[in-house]
Amino acid sequence: AQRVTQPEKLLSAFKGAPVELKCNYSYSGSPELFWYVQYSRQRLQLLLRHISRESIKGFTADLNKGETSFHLKKPFAQEEDSAMYYCALSYQGGSEKLVFGKGTKLTVNP
Amino acid sequence: KAGVTQTPRYLIKTRGQQVTLSCSPISGHRSVSWYQQTPGQGLQFLFEYFSETQRNKGNFPGRFSGRQFSNSRSEMNVSTLELGDSALYLCASSPLRGSGNTIYFGEGSWLTVV
Repeated sequence: AQRVTQPEKLLSAFKGAPVELKCNYSYSGSPELFWYVQYSRQRLQLLLRHISRESIKGFTADLNKGETSFHLKKPFAQEEDSAMYYCALSYQGGSEKLVFGKGTKLTVNP
Repeated sequence: KAGVTQTPRYLIKTRGQQVTLSCSPISGHRSVSWYQQTPGQGLQFLFEYFSETQRNKGNFPGRFSGRQFSNSRSEMNVSTLELGDSALYLCASSPLRGSGNTIYFGEGSWLTVV
């Protein structure tokens, strides 16, 4: 079965320090991977997706098919990055079905 | 452009009752999907609708059902409520089907079963 694992429930960092939120997936085919973010009292929203290969708010993520990982990175964390981050996988072309990880709560301290 | 709107936002039901949750997608969006979020299981896919047809269903019992109307609005229903159905139910919409689309989530409906 398709599965997304985020090994860290909680992650703390200081402002200006690099952060990496880990995401591993299990799927034998070619999935599409996403990172969603939920800021306090806001709705869940898309942060980035692997096919775009873009940087959003300074975050990047590279799909590593060999290691089945899609880790989220930011070289210099900011306090406003504090939020809940969810890694998600889509494996059915033409479908909106997403398989989510359990999420990582990132706290960036001043 | 208004976002995905879900009603009611909060509700309390008694075990054994049934509940209907409503979702209005972003104007022009035709695909609607539903997710259940709980502290233990996280976000789990319930169903997906497009053009009034259920296109995909998650691994939930038959007590969970849904439908989509011609204006793309969607409802989900849970019958014979159990304590474990207490959760945040999220609706999401996108313009068309396809994993290349951005999915937009609503704020959710908080259901408490007592």
